[in-house]
Amino acid sequence: NAGVMQNPRHLVRRRGQEARLRCSPMKGHSHVYWYRQLPEEGLKFMVYLQKENIIDESGMPKERFSAEFPKEGPSILRIQQVVRGDSAAYFCASSAGRKNIQYFGAGTRLSVL
Amino acid sequence: AQTVTQSQPEMSVQEAETVTLSCTYDTSENNYYLFWYKQPPSRQMILVIRQEAYKQQNATENRFSVNFQKAAKSFSLKISDSQLGDTAMYFCAFMKQAGGGADGLTFGKGTHLIIQP
Repeated sequence: NAGVMQNPRHLVRRRGQEARLRCSPMKGHSHVYWYRQLPEEGLKFMVYLQKENIIDESGMPKERFSAEFPKEGPSILRIQQVVRGDSAAYFCASSAGRKNIQYFGAGTRLSVL
Repeated sequence: AQTVTQSQPEMSVQEAETVTLSCTYDTSENNYYLFWYKQPPSRQMILVIRQEAYKQQNATENRFSVNFQKAAKSFSLKISDSQLGDTAMYFCAFMKQAGGGADGLTFGKGTHLIIQP
């Protein structure tokens, strides 16, 4: 009974590199959410996707960040040309439907050197 | 936009005691959900309890219960017979029930709860 799986757990990148974070939702879930947690802060909503569609990206930075949830495979959060301010924990959650309970993965901790 | 405020950055109690974590929120919505999530040192976010705003009865899950005061926009979490494994960050969160707008959860900044042996 696998929960939400995120990988890698830890990711180190140098400034200017690209970061790719992966999220496999719980079995039977087709809704995926991405959140960012800065040190000493709560989680901030970034984007909500269903299969092949971005439903709500109101929390996504306008530049360098993108997300996808293809028909096959995990959801990907992509950060291009990373900067030190991107260092944070990135959490993925999945749900069985819009407004249903969201179940979280263990997060990916991104460190930008 | 919704805001969630947790006014207690850190709390510490003895094992077996009862502790209450406070949460207030601000919204113009009438229908919404409120949640408490727990984040232990492993950093996994774990759902503790959920409350639907249209329900007057306070939600309960074993040792965890809430005091939901809709008019006051208050949603506190009570942990009875606290255990060492309850040590964690606790986040209060809000989500609109229906309609447009962000579908994501709005979180407070968290309360670090420490259970002392």
